[in-house]
Amino acid sequence: AQKITQTQPGMFVQEKEAVTLDCTYDTSDPSYGLFWYKQPSSGEMIFLIYQGSYDQQNATEGRYSLNFQKARKSANLVISASQLGDSAMYFCAMREGPGYSSASKIIFGSGTRLSIRP
Amino acid sequence: NAGVTQTPKFQVLKTGQSMTLQCAQDMNHNSMYWYRQDPGMGLRLIYYSASEGTTDKGEVPNGYNVSRLNKREFSLRLESAAPSQTSVYFCASRERVSRTTGELFFGEGSRLTVL
Repeated sequence: AQKITQTQPGMFVQEKEAVTLDCTYDTSDPSYGLFWYKQPSSGEMIFLIYQGSYDQQNATEGRYSLNFQKARKSANLVISASQLGDSAMYFCAMREGPGYSSASKIIFGSGTRLSIRP
Repeated sequence: NAGVTQTPKFQVLKTGQSMTLQCAQDMNHNSMYWYRQDPGMGLRLIYYSASEGTTDKGEVPNGYNVSRLNKREFSLRLESAAPSQTSVYFCASRERVSRTTGELFFGEGSRLTVL
């Protein structure tokens, strides 16, 4: 069954340090996609980065990178040089099935609350 | 650029009352989703729809009904609200794509309180 696990309820990191947020997943479908979203205290959901199951390279978007270890079924988010504005909830999500299917279920992990210390 | 629009943004109900949350997207997306988010927790999938006229159950469908009225609109109905349904509800949509991200686009959320 499709499952997403985030084991870090909360993290504190010093400003300018790098931080890794953990995400493990489980699926029997060979085609899937993994997403990371940020939810600041204002409540909106902000898309950060995506990794497809067949992508050969780890995804990167600016200060965000996704450490994709397929054999371990992990998709950790790495934020380099953290900033005060990075303080937020971060959610890992998984789409089971290929991206061209409109019938794909997308589920979320329980999230990690990241707090950046000045 | 409206994107995904949810109404109402806030609602207070009494136990047993019914209500419908409306969601509309103007991005011509095929897939639409309803999630609930309880305080300090992640998003749980209630129902989703791959296209007009089709709906599927998610992780927590009990107590809810949905309608995909047309390609733009996807409504969520609570027939007899219970305090356990107090939550923030998010509607989202996505396009089916082959080689890009196909990420979810979210509405701003609807905060529902059931007394």
